Amino acid sequence: GEDVEQSLFLSVREGDSSVINCTYTDSSSTYLYWYKQEPGAGLQLLTYIFSNMDMKQDQRLTVLLNKKDKHLSLRIADTQTGDSAIYFCAETTYGNKLVFGAGTILRVKS
Amino acid sequence: EPEVTQTPSHQVTQMGQEVILRCVPISNHLYFYWYRQILGQKVEFLVSFYNNEISEKSEIFDDQFSVERPDGSNFTLKIRSTKLEDSAMYFCASSEGGFSGNTIYFGEGSWLTVV
Repeated sequence: GEDVEQSLFLSVREGDSSVINCTYTDSSSTYLYWYKQEPGAGLQLLTYIFSNMDMKQDQRLTVLLNKKDKHLSLRIADTQTGDSAIYFCAETTYGNKLVFGAGTILRVKS
Repeated sequence: EPEVTQTPSHQVTQMGQEVILRCVPISNHLYFYWYRQILGQKVEFLVSFYNNEISEKSEIFDDQFSVERPDGSNFTLKIRSTKLEDSAMYFCASSEGGFSGNTIYFGEGSWLTVV
């Protein structure tokens, strides 16, 4: 079945770049997403990428997709303390049934 | 920005009791979903709903669960007889369309604790 894996924890200093990685197993994935969850809050969609794209940039966020290796990454430039949260990678093949990773805790040290 | 709202934010219930979690999806959205996240585990899909019927459901969504759109604005998840293992955060979500690429907006979740 489909599976999405992420590293558990990432710690960076304020102002540095953060790179959160994700791998997925379903080669027929069509869209891949990054969601952010702050403590006590819901899932906020940050960005998504269609599977025929290699890269998508949106202000401080850059998403890279290596479809051959089924590897997705989210780079946050100039990471701020407000970026501290859990980041979820998710994929979908058809319809809108999302398969989520376990989440990566990003801790930003000032 | 429009948002999905959920109530209650937290509910404690005794095992065997019925629970109804409520959601108000974004007004022009046609597709509705429930997901859940057991503490320390992944967010899991439960069910999707369109045109007043279930369009897809997961293995988790057994006969104890049901969904309903009782009126033009609310979307509910009912758990008939709660079990300890139903303790989780339940997320409601909605989207305009039903295919990949349609942005899915999530609510802030309802924490359910079964004791």
